[in-house]
Amino acid sequence: QVQLVQSGAEVKKPGASVKVSCKASGYTFTSSDINWVRQATGQGLEWVGSMNPNSGSTGYAQKFQGRVTMTRDTSISTAYMELRSLRSEDTAVYYCVGPATISWGQGTLVTVSS
Amino acid sequence: DIVMTQTPLSLSVTPGQPASISCKSRQSLLHTDGKTYLYWYLQKPGQPPRLLIYEVSNRFSGVPDRFSGSGSGTDFTLKISRVEAEDIGVYYCMQSIQVPWTFGQGTKVEIK
Repeated sequence: QVQLVQSGAEVKKPGASVKVSCKASGYTFTSSDINWVRQATGQGLEWVGSMNPNSGSTGYAQKFQGRVTMTRDTSISTAYMELRSLRSEDTAVYYCVGPATISWGQGTLVTVSS
Repeated sequence: DIVMTQTPLSLSVTPGQPASISCKSRQSLLHTDGKTYLYWYLQKPGQPPRLLIYEVSNRFSGVPDRFSGSGSGTDFTLKISRVEAEDIGVYYCMQSIQVPWTFGQGTKVEIK
């Protein structure tokens, strides 16, 4: 079955960068976009962006433009999301979302604190 | 961005009774491919959202048949025919016809 396994929780200082990984299994990694969605504690869901693992093309939400980069390593079926210039408001659980919006990773808590 | 508006934001339901959640979008979610890209998810504490309904009315694999989705264009509804204790959590609608994907604010369902 489709499974997305994300990297572990991170604690970063303001201004730093974080890179979250999402390892896919159970389907052809290059056949479907990977999207990233985040959720601050007790808040709703917010789309960060998407990547086509086949072409590497990306699309980002406007509020993250210039701060986020999504990449992939097809040899290990893994997608990455890097967020730079972190601020406290970026503290959230970050989810990768796989084929047809069905499969979600378990989430990675990123805490930004001085 | 397509604004998604859910109502109500919270719901307290007696087990065995029905429940209904509305989701309205500011623009049509009907694609030229004939599909309507409206989804319903249930999120429990500490877990990622779980897909319940895709493309308005299609129940995902393993989802009990007490859950049903309906609607078209800009108005959608999720119904639970008889609420059970395991149905508690926050329900979200989501559109993916256009990026950015956008979500409703969430409806918290509790058991009376």
